[in-house]
Amino acid sequence: DTAVSQTPKYLVTQMGNDKSIKCEQNLGHDTMYWYKQDSKKFLKIMFSYNNKELIINETVPNRFSPKSPDKAHLNLHINSLELGDSAVYFCASSWTGSGNTIYFGEGSWLTVV
Amino acid sequence: EDQVTQSPEALRLQEGESSSLNCSYTVSGLRGLFWYRQDPGKGPEFLFTLYSAGEEKEKERLKATLTKKESFLHITAPKPEDSATYLCAVQAESNYQLIWGAGTKLIIKP
Repeated sequence: DTAVSQTPKYLVTQMGNDKSIKCEQNLGHDTMYWYKQDSKKFLKIMFSYNNKELIINETVPNRFSPKSPDKAHLNLHINSLELGDSAVYFCASSWTGSGNTIYFGEGSWLTVV
Repeated sequence: EDQVTQSPEALRLQEGESSSLNCSYTVSGLRGLFWYRQDPGKGPEFLFTLYSAGEEKEKERLKATLTKKESFLHITAPKPEDSATYLCAVQAESNYQLIWGAGTKLIIKP
């Protein structure tokens, strides 16, 4: 019954590899997000999709590519992983609009070695 | 520039010792201010949304208040299970994007 679920929860990989993180929400929301949380706990938005269309794309290296096959899924693919990509990545969802609550997944811990 | 600052960075309290966490914000028009709780190894969990100065919301031992410059999260008679990082975020009128603070790590000792 998890509202926002993402897999894998933990991922350890070598520099230069390509990896993907998957996300699904069953709340019926029309907007999904990817956030990155660094070691200092700051949450930074990376991407936002509304009804499968990209509406926010912050300054993120183009090695990161989101894909939304439908409005319930938003996957994150990362090419040529670098040490600095190590972080926790959170998927989230909400309804579009003012003051709407964002619901988060449990996070995916990515470690690049 | 829109900005959110939370203080203190960390707060250690004895069980039952009430206190407050602060979230100061600078934003060109506020759509909403959000409080979340984050436990280690988990995603942020929604607590409250406040929309206008003077508004207050309560949930169990937590009470959130809002002024035009800051929000407080008051914790009354906390228990060890209240230990977590508390995150504040604001949504500006200029867009729907949330601007996040760095959080306050709250530790309640039995």
